[in-house]
Amino acid sequence: SQQGEEDPQALSIQEGENATMNCSYKTSINNLQWYRQNSGRGLVHLILIRSNEREKHSGRLRVTLDTSKKSSSLLITASRAADTASYFCATEGNTGKLIFGQGTTLQVKP
Amino acid sequence: DAGVIQSPRHEVTEMGQEVTLRCKPISGHNSLFWYRQTMMRGLELLIYFNNNVPIDDSGMPEDRFSAKMPNASFSTLKIQPSEPRDSAVYFCASSLAGTDYEQYFGPGTRLTVT
Repeated sequence: SQQGEEDPQALSIQEGENATMNCSYKTSINNLQWYRQNSGRGLVHLILIRSNEREKHSGRLRVTLDTSKKSSSLLITASRAADTASYFCATEGNTGKLIFGQGTTLQVKP
Repeated sequence: DAGVIQSPRHEVTEMGQEVTLRCKPISGHNSLFWYRQTMMRGLELLIYFNNNVPIDDSGMPEDRFSAKMPNASFSTLKIQPSEPRDSAVYFCASSLAGTDYEQYFGPGTRLTVT
């Protein structure tokens, strides 16, 4: 079964607004990663956050991790039309495998 | 760096035919992963290699699927015989060392089995 589950499944916002996507998982993890996938393309790595970290930033991206709630969030600030894509969280636990969620589809309207 | 290279980008074949997908990982990366993506099942890990050795192939659907990594710069995923339910996008990814590092994905091979 999938480890990570993203919420919402789909999100539509206006350019300039912030977008928040959430990821919940079931078992303990070593790290959690966020990826972006543009239509018809491969996945692109965004941020990796380890289990002993609570927050990480990369440009307009902010990722938080709450291991007590087994959840993570990805915030994209000042969104642009080019941010339109699907966003996946992936968890790495004791299996040594990266398990991907079903993804959140983000549409940013110009 | 050219990134992860996959070929072919598109493959259309008839049921029962053998299909071979190819992947060249990023130079210097020790781990290679094969994934399959479908609308119904999302992104699934099929198999991954560390230093050319298969570590976990529990995701390989059945005996019709096989993967090899004869050297650090080349891997193949073979389906023989192919079936319509194998239609999907197959991604290859590589990382420096296992799943503790970010993975770099190739553009994928879109396989259609008729």
